[in-house]
Amino acid sequence: EADIYQTPRYLVIGTGKKITLECSQTMGHDKMYWYQQDPGMELHLIHYSYGVNSTEKGDLSSESTVSRIRTEHFPLTLESARPSHTSQYLCASSGPDAYSGANVLTFGAGSRLTVL
Amino acid sequence: KNQVEQSPQSLIILEGKNCTLQCNYTVSPFSNLRWYKQDTGRGPVSLTIMTFSENTKSNGRYTATLDADTKQSSLHITASQLSDSASYICVVSDRGSTLGRLYFGRGTQLTVWP
Repeated sequence: EADIYQTPRYLVIGTGKKITLECSQTMGHDKMYWYQQDPGMELHLIHYSYGVNSTEKGDLSSESTVSRIRTEHFPLTLESARPSHTSQYLCASSGPDAYSGANVLTFGAGSRLTVL
Repeated sequence: KNQVEQSPQSLIILEGKNCTLQCNYTVSPFSNLRWYKQDTGRGPVSLTIMTFSENTKSNGRYTATLDADTKQSSLHITASQLSDSASYICVVSDRGSTLGRLYFGRGTQLTVWP
C-alpha cells in the first residue's frame, strides 16, 4: 500500500487561479520529488528536496514552486495557472526499504490538473 | 546523451499468454535499472530493481533480465491477467548521481484482452 499521499487527485480550475498540490509521506524519507507526466510521455523531474529547507529545480523548467518545512510534507504551488500547466503531477519519495534495505522510490497516486 | 528506449510502444495480448517488453539504455555509468507498473490515472508501482551484478530477478509472474554489457533489459510477464493491463516503465539510474536524476523510458502500454 502507498505511504505517500497526494491531494487533490483531480482538479479543474480556470486560468489565473493559484493552486497548491499537496504531498505527504509517512515513511520518514528525507528525499522527495515532483514529476510531471503527459500522456504517453516519460516522467520529467521538476523539483526535488533532500530534506527540510532544501529544495532544488529539476531537469524540466517549471513555473511552479515548492517548499519543505516538514520532512513529511512537500507541497507544490502554481501562483497563476495556465492551460499549458495541464498535466499529471506525481510526487515521490525515496529511502531504504524496510525489508531489503535497498533504496526505493515510491510514488503517490498523482494529481491530474486541468486548467481551462 | 543518456537515454532509455522502450519497445514496443504498445502491445495487445490475450489473457493467459506470455509477453516480453524491452528496454535499451545508453545511461553511463550505470547503477541500477527499475521496472515500474503504472495503472491508468495512478502513480507507478515498483516491480523490480536490478543492479549491475544481477542478471535476472523475479516478482511473481514478472521476471526481469539485465545484460549490462549490451545495455538491455527485458520484462517477461507469464500467464497474463486482465489486471496486467497498464503502462510498464523502465527507469535507469547512473552511478554517483542523485536519485532525483533518474532516466525514464516512455513506457510500453500493455492491454490484455479476455
